[in-house]
Amino acid sequence: AQTVTQSQPEMSVQEAETVTLSCTYDTSENNYYLFWYKQPPSRQMILVIRQEAYKQQNATENRFSVNFQKAAKSFSLKISDSQLGDTAMYFCAFMANFGNEKLTFGTGTRLTIIP
Amino acid sequence: DVKVTQSSRYLVKRTGEKVFLECVQDMDHENMFWYRQDPGLGLRLIYFSYDVKMKEKGDIPEGYSVSREKKERFSLILESASTNQTSMYLCASSLFRGANEKLFFGSGTQLSVL
Repeated sequence: AQTVTQSQPEMSVQEAETVTLSCTYDTSENNYYLFWYKQPPSRQMILVIRQEAYKQQNATENRFSVNFQKAAKSFSLKISDSQLGDTAMYFCAFMANFGNEKLTFGTGTRLTIIP
Repeated sequence: DVKVTQSSRYLVKRTGEKVFLECVQDMDHENMFWYRQDPGLGLRLIYFSYDVKMKEKGDIPEGYSVSREKKERFSLILESASTNQTSMYLCASSLFRGANEKLFFGSGTQLSVL
């Protein structure tokens, strides 16, 4: 079974600064997908970024980028130039590539951007 | 854009009641999921379905059942609600088995069992 660990329950950062959220996972699979989801106070889960394990290049989406270290089973999210709208719960999630489409989530990191 | 709609945003029920949580998606997705979200525990999978009339147990199915009579609708049933089922329930859908694409989520139902 896969497990996902987020060791930072809460973080806060000043607006415009850069922040990194940590995620580690455990799996015996070689092919899989990793995701970061954002859940703002509205409760709507929104995909932030997706990484395919067979791709060595780290995924980026505007101000969001990941540091994917496959050997270390680490998948951290970097938010650059943080904005007030980035305040949310962030969840790291794992999907194995054997067709069951299930996401296994970490426990989340509550991020607060301070004006 | 895909829309996943959950019928209630907040729900209050009594212990022992039968509870139905409804979820509808509008993009012809084959896969549908029910998760519960609790502080400090993240999201945990209750049940999922790949097609009409199909269902699979997730990680915490005890005390729950599901129904998928139509492709767009996936219902979660609490046969006899208990206080430990007080939680946020999130429905999600995705394209089809093997696509390995993202899940689209509803806005959640906050259920309180008194």
